[in-house]
Amino acid sequence: GAGVSQSPRYKVAKRGQDVALRCDPISGHVSLFWYQQALGQGPEFLTYFQNEAQLDKSGLPSDRFFAERPEGSVSTLKIQRTQQEDSAVYLCASSQAKGTINSNQPQHFGDGTRLSIL
Amino acid sequence: KNQVEQSPQSLIILEGKNCTLQCNYTVSPFSNLRWYKQDTGRGPVSLTIMTFSENTKSNGRYTATLDADTKQSSLHITASQLSDSASYICVVRRYSTLTFGKGTMLLVSP
Repeated sequence: GAGVSQSPRYKVAKRGQDVALRCDPISGHVSLFWYQQALGQGPEFLTYFQNEAQLDKSGLPSDRFFAERPEGSVSTLKIQRTQQEDSAVYLCASSQAKGTINSNQPQHFGDGTRLSIL
Repeated sequence: KNQVEQSPQSLIILEGKNCTLQCNYTVSPFSNLRWYKQDTGRGPVSLTIMTFSENTKSNGRYTATLDADTKQSSLHITASQLSDSASYICVVRRYSTLTFGKGTMLLVSP
């Protein structure tokens, strides 16, 4: 597609349920990033993939958060046993750049999945 | 702690007027600085990217400046339009890490 696509756009879940958020990056983009954006805040880094390899997961807030990109294209962010503090917009971004170090390639963001935990 | 602080937090201006948004950062060492525009309910869209050696970069009615010595950047919007209403986010790269500011919420009023 022309841009980064995320689904679903909105997700409501009860506390304790598991959720899965999908990201379709721009075709051919090597790098893929997940961010969490709380209301009124800037995005905060969660994890980074280069192709299928998860090179950085330092931003994942707990072991309830898990991300994968098995074939180096589509990625899924899974949150297990959701808590109310998990409510946020989850943004996915992709970049043509092969590496993130000193890259001037912009990240192209999807419109996010708004997750609400009741 | 590496931080990116933006001011003002929010701003209302009349259509056609100019405005300047500020970004101060403590991220070090610095790789590059980007300004993003984020419309409500949408993902951020890159406006400009500036490296250490660049002082000014323009993209249409948007002009970004960078003073790497004082670690300050500004985004100037000329002849504002209603469609400029959005959150403007300053993002500083340090090696492989991006640090985002909280953004300035701009409302352009008719």
